Amino acid sequence: AQSVTQLDSQVPVFEEAPVELRCNYSSSVSVYLFWYVQYPNQGLQLLLKYLSGSTLVKGINGFEAEFNKSQTSFHLRKPSVHISDTAEYFCAVVSYNTDKLIFGTGTRLQVFP
Amino acid sequence: DAGITQSPRHKVTETGTPVTLRCHQTENHRYMYWYRQDPGHGLRLIHYSYGVKDTDKGEVSDGYSVSRSKTEDFLLTLESATSSQTSVYFCAISEEAGLGEKLFFGSGTQLSVL
Repeated sequence: AQSVTQLDSQVPVFEEAPVELRCNYSSSVSVYLFWYVQYPNQGLQLLLKYLSGSTLVKGINGFEAEFNKSQTSFHLRKPSVHISDTAEYFCAVVSYNTDKLIFGTGTRLQVFP
Repeated sequence: DAGITQSPRHKVTETGTPVTLRCHQTENHRYMYWYRQDPGHGLRLIHYSYGVKDTDKGEVSDGYSVSRSKTEDFLLTLESATSSQTSVYFCAISEEAGLGEKLFFGSGTQLSVL
């Protein structure tokens, strides 16, 4: 069975500082990986995805993530955060042989001025 | 934005009462999903549908039932609500199975069971 672990439940950071949100997954088969963002009182929006090809993927709002197969990780990074990046971020995985998207428990990113 | 409407947006009910949440889509997508979101658990799949009258269980289906009599509507029913079902419920739709890049979410329903 597949699973996703987000190692940090909360990440506080000052504006313009870099940030990394960590995600590890487990699966016995190849996977697709995703990061979603949830702003307060809203549903989830896709931030970026890894399906195949280049292991460094770029998403919206200046975020990027790197797929590392050997470490089974898909960490999300941004070189300089803004107040508006304050939100909850979810990592998700779907294995090639299933049709169910499994989410991690989420990381709350709080950006301070 | 994908045309997904969840109703009601907020509901407060008492333990033991039946509750039905509705998800309506205008995209004609085949797949529809119900998730619940709880602190420390992220989003967990309750039930999903892969067509009219075709549904299957997710990770946390106990205490929930679903129905899909039309492509555009996917109903989630709590037959006898319990306090443990207090949560935020999200509906999602997708053209294709499994590919999260094409998964679109509604704005959620906040359910409180007292």
